[in-house]
Amino acid sequence: DAGITQSPRHKVTETGTPVTLRCHQTENHRYMYWYRQDPGHGLRLIHYSYGVKDTDKGEVSDGYSVSRSKTEDFLLTLESATSSQTSVYFCAISGTPDRVNGLETQYFGPGTRLLVL
Amino acid sequence: KQEVTQIPAALSVPEGENLVLNCSFTDSAIYNLQWFRQDPGKGLTSLLLIQSSQREQTSGRLNASLDKSSGRSTLYIAASQPGDSATYLCAVSETSGSRLTFGEGTQLTVNP
Repeated sequence: DAGITQSPRHKVTETGTPVTLRCHQTENHRYMYWYRQDPGHGLRLIHYSYGVKDTDKGEVSDGYSVSRSKTEDFLLTLESATSSQTSVYFCAISGTPDRVNGLETQYFGPGTRLLVL
Repeated sequence: KQEVTQIPAALSVPEGENLVLNCSFTDSAIYNLQWFRQDPGKGLTSLLLIQSSQREQTSGRLNASLDKSSGRSTLYIAASQPGDSATYLCAVSETSGSRLTFGEGTQLTVNP
């Protein structure tokens, strides 16, 4: 398995509170992604990063922000959690340190289950 | 907008059977296609990646094919085992390093 950890693994929070999820990789991969998985919608991209301090929005970015100050860490913040953000959040990584093109398997972390009450 | 569809949504087979899972995508301008496995309550495990220039990839009992022009991929599982029971997800990317667009998956049950 690729060296990806997510923290926390489970979280229960209340509507209106800020929440930060952390993704940490030990693979020195260039690209990092945050997805959410919901029944009936599959996995959808929230935000992604293509380098330190380089991030971009995915298809469901409203209500979320991200930061990447180091290669190994990618943080996802829910500024003010809502019940619609109850979901399973997955971090993924891809790319090798010394190549841009070629085979780029995405490797996924174990996920964070977030419940917003 | 790229859309990925997987058929069937669920499949139940007896142990030992060969089976095919289907994936279709609407925009043929893809960079690569990946097949993943997801066990209940777990993350995704990459099974096979096919570059857009390739026709198929094999790993053990798994064989994935890609027909980019028709927007289709199949995952063939030979001699299925109960341990193959999981949800299988297909996903495509459109450029290097870009996001993946996922199908909703096929839930496979292999009965002993």
